[in-house]
Amino acid sequence: KQEVTQIPAALSVPEGENLVLNCSFTDSAIYNLQWFRQDPGKGLTSLLLIQSSQREQTSGRLNASLDKSSGRSTLYIAASQPGDSATYLCAVSNYGGATNKLIFGTGTLLAVQP
Amino acid sequence: EAGVTQSPTHLIKTRGQQATLRCSPISGHTSVYWYQQALGLGLQFLLWYDEGEERNRGNFPPRFSGRQFPNYSSELNVNALELEDSALYLCASSSRDTLWDGEQYFGPGTRLTVT
Repeated sequence: KQEVTQIPAALSVPEGENLVLNCSFTDSAIYNLQWFRQDPGKGLTSLLLIQSSQREQTSGRLNASLDKSSGRSTLYIAASQPGDSATYLCAVSNYGGATNKLIFGTGTLLAVQP
Repeated sequence: EAGVTQSPTHLIKTRGQQATLRCSPISGHTSVYWYQQALGLGLQFLLWYDEGEERNRGNFPPRFSGRQFPNYSSELNVNALELEDSALYLCASSSRDTLWDGEQYFGPGTRLTVT
């Protein structure tokens, strides 16, 4: 059974700092891994999707890496801004069977202090 | 292009009642997924509909059900509401072209409160 864990659970940093969020998963047979952002009480905004054959994806100040063999992904945020404050969720889509569901981690609550 | 829409935004029901939540996918998307985000439990997969058929369901009791209409919009029904059904219900959609890529686009959610 796939389990997804995110550390830290919460993180507070001053504006301008670079930071790394971590995601680990127990079953390496994944189709892909997605990073989402969720503002309080809101839906999810997709940030980056990494296919199982890829090692990393970049979008603006965000860079996500994937190491399937070790069951890890990191989300790197450069030059953090107060507007980056949100909960960040990673989710994996498992290979095999007609499941097509996303399995989510518990999230990292990020606060960027001005 | 309009994103995934959900209605209502908020829904307040009494224990034992039924709740109906609605979702409209992105135009051209044929798959709709439902997830529950309850406090302290994280996001959990509920149901997946594709081309009008239920393809998969998560570990939820049968009182959680739904359907997908010919226009690919979807309805989630929760019968015999219990207090622990209070949660944010998120709908997502994906297209036939990227069905197995797993990229899903999420709506803003419906906040269900059971009193």
